[in-house]
Amino acid sequence: DVVMTQTPPSLSVAIGQSVSISCKSSQSLVASDKNTYLNWLLQSPGRSPKRLIYQVSKLDSGVPDRFSGSGSEKDFTLKISRVEAEDLGVYYCLQGTHLPYTFGAGTKLELK
Amino acid sequence: QVTLKESGPGMLQPSKTLSLTCSFSGFSLSTSGMVVSWIRQPSGKSLEWLAAIDWDGDKYYNPSLKSRLTVSKDTSNTQVFLKITSVDIADTATYYCAREIVMPTGDLDYWGQGVMVTVSS
Repeated sequence: DVVMTQTPPSLSVAIGQSVSISCKSSQSLVASDKNTYLNWLLQSPGRSPKRLIYQVSKLDSGVPDRFSGSGSEKDFTLKISRVEAEDLGVYYCLQGTHLPYTFGAGTKLELK
Repeated sequence: QVTLKESGPGMLQPSKTLSLTCSFSGFSLSTSGMVVSWIRQPSGKSLEWLAAIDWDGDKYYNPSLKSRLTVSKDTSNTQVFLKITSVDIADTATYYCAREIVMPTGDLDYWGQGVMVTVSS
């Protein structure tokens, strides 16, 4: 299975601050169709996960452009500019290139 | 509007078979490419992809659990089912179903609210 190593495990931030979350995969996530299937999800407290970003950098409808995704091959980053209170929760990376799909351990974003 | 909702027994005893249902609307599983996946999350832990079934009836399983899992769908293509045999305490988790438009991509764009399952004697 592809191992997704996500860091840091937690982040304490002030509103308006910018943060980055890293996700590294044990194998290249470039698929045979040349796409890279790396997704970012947010699980707000008490809620089910919600997809924010797919294929490394494509934002889901309604996701603020304060969120951005970047990376390639095995090294990926989620950046949140100007954190707002609604951004708090646990962020997960998910690879969908190789079966079985695998998730990172999560990064908990908390208020400082 | 796409919605998914999971249902299950809430609690069951070790060694029993867990049966879960995912009822969905806003899309049809008979549409080419459409997929429904099952994912679970023990309390306070990360997520684990379990299985999926696509529009054509093809089934995909996590090898770590494959011998215990069976995924299926109803003929009206509005429900997907997951059975897990011989459950034990380690199967205690919230179980989610999610939609995917093309597999394999991991593009799980809509998720259900989840159903909590406790395995206890």
